[in-house]
Amino acid sequence: GAGVSQSPSNKVTEKGKDVELRCDPISGHTALYWYRQSLGQGLEFLIYFQGNSAPDKSGLPSDRFSAERTGGSVSTLTIQRTQQEDSAVYLCASSLAGDRGYTFGSGTRLTVV
Amino acid sequence: KQEVTQIPAALSVPEGENLVLNCSFTDSAIYNLQWFRQDPGKGLTSLLLIQSSQREQTSGRLNASLDKSSGRSTLYIAASQPGDSATYLCAGLAGANSKLTFGKGITLSVRP
Repeated sequence: GAGVSQSPSNKVTEKGKDVELRCDPISGHTALYWYRQSLGQGLEFLIYFQGNSAPDKSGLPSDRFSAERTGGSVSTLTIQRTQQEDSAVYLCASSLAGDRGYTFGSGTRLTVV
Repeated sequence: KQEVTQIPAALSVPEGENLVLNCSFTDSAIYNLQWFRQDPGKGLTSLLLIQSSQREQTSGRLNASLDKSSGRSTLYIAASQPGDSATYLCAGLAGANSKLTFGKGITLSVRP
């Protein structure tokens, strides 16, 4: 596609429920990144994919968070048993190669009530 | 561990002023640096990318420079306009297969 697409754009969920956030990167971009932006905070790195493998998962905050990427394209970030502190904007970015710059999607705003 | 700092956190200027936004990083082994703009409630829009062999990039009224030896990057905005009001973030890449590390951003307000 022309840009990075994320869905849903907004998600309200009850505490304890599981949620899935989707990212469609730019076609041909092999690198894909997930970040989280909490209110008033900077961007927090979560996970990085190169193709379908994740060489860097160091930013995932707990084992409730997981992500996968299939076919070197679409990625899904799953949060199990959501907590209120998970409320944030989740941003996805893709890159042809790390040194070619990142393109970000518009994000998914997650609210846990 | 790379840390990126942007000071001040907020800046207010009158329309027409030329201004400089600063970004500093702790590891001079930075590979490239990217400046982004974020409007309220929106994602990030890439403004300028300075790749490893470059020292500056220009786009319209924007100019970004990178000095690896001093650990600094600056974003220069000429003849600022109210439409430039947004949060500006800089981010450094430690290596070609690494991840971007972001500063917390500078929220710019340009007063008409």
